Amino acid sequence: GNSVTQMEGPVTLSEEAFLTINCTYTATGYPSLFWYVQYPGEGLQLLLKATKADDKGSNKGFEATYRKETTSFHLEKGSVQVSDSAVYFCALRGLTGGGNKLTFGTGTQLKVEL
Amino acid sequence: DGGITQSPKYLFRKEGQNVTLSCEQNLNHDAMYWYRQDPGQGLRLIYYSQIVNDFQKGDIAEGYSVSREKKESFPLTVTSAQKNPTAFYLCASSQQRNTEAFFGQGTRLTVV
Repeated sequence: GNSVTQMEGPVTLSEEAFLTINCTYTATGYPSLFWYVQYPGEGLQLLLKATKADDKGSNKGFEATYRKETTSFHLEKGSVQVSDSAVYFCALRGLTGGGNKLTFGTGTQLKVEL
Repeated sequence: DGGITQSPKYLFRKEGQNVTLSCEQNLNHDAMYWYRQDPGQGLRLIYYSQIVNDFQKGDIAEGYSVSREKKESFPLTVTSAQKNPTAFYLCASSQQRNTEAFFGQGTRLTVV
């Protein structure tokens, strides 16, 4: 079946540091890939997405590139802010095996300090 | 504004009681989902529905039930058979395959 593996957190960074959160996946075919963000006590918000190999999703300074050869979709940001502190989830939706549902990673908590 | 509304935001129930969580969407989405989130863990799929009057079990359906009588609504009942019901419950909807899902703000259920 489909699965998503994320690096474990928490990740603690100083403001303006470079961020990378690793995400790799296992799926048949060509899934769509997503990054969601969750602030404390809230639901998930879509951060960015990519639907085919070599696509780059970007939003609010965050980027992730769909790498089929390494089955990865790592999240990056050049300069984090305190307001980026949240939990980040990598997810995929496959075309086969699993219907129309999203499969999530376990989430990575990011803490940004002044 | 279009979106997904979950109610209530906080819910307290006594052990052994059934409780129903509401989820309504006005996005005209065909598919709806219920996820459970426990502290420090990812999201686990409880049930999902791709069309009205049809739904499928997810990975942790035991102790839960759902209905999909209207396109806009997908209520989740947490029954007394659910051994550890205290958790954060998230409802989501999406339009088609390979499109993103939109989430509600969640309901935090505490069973005492």
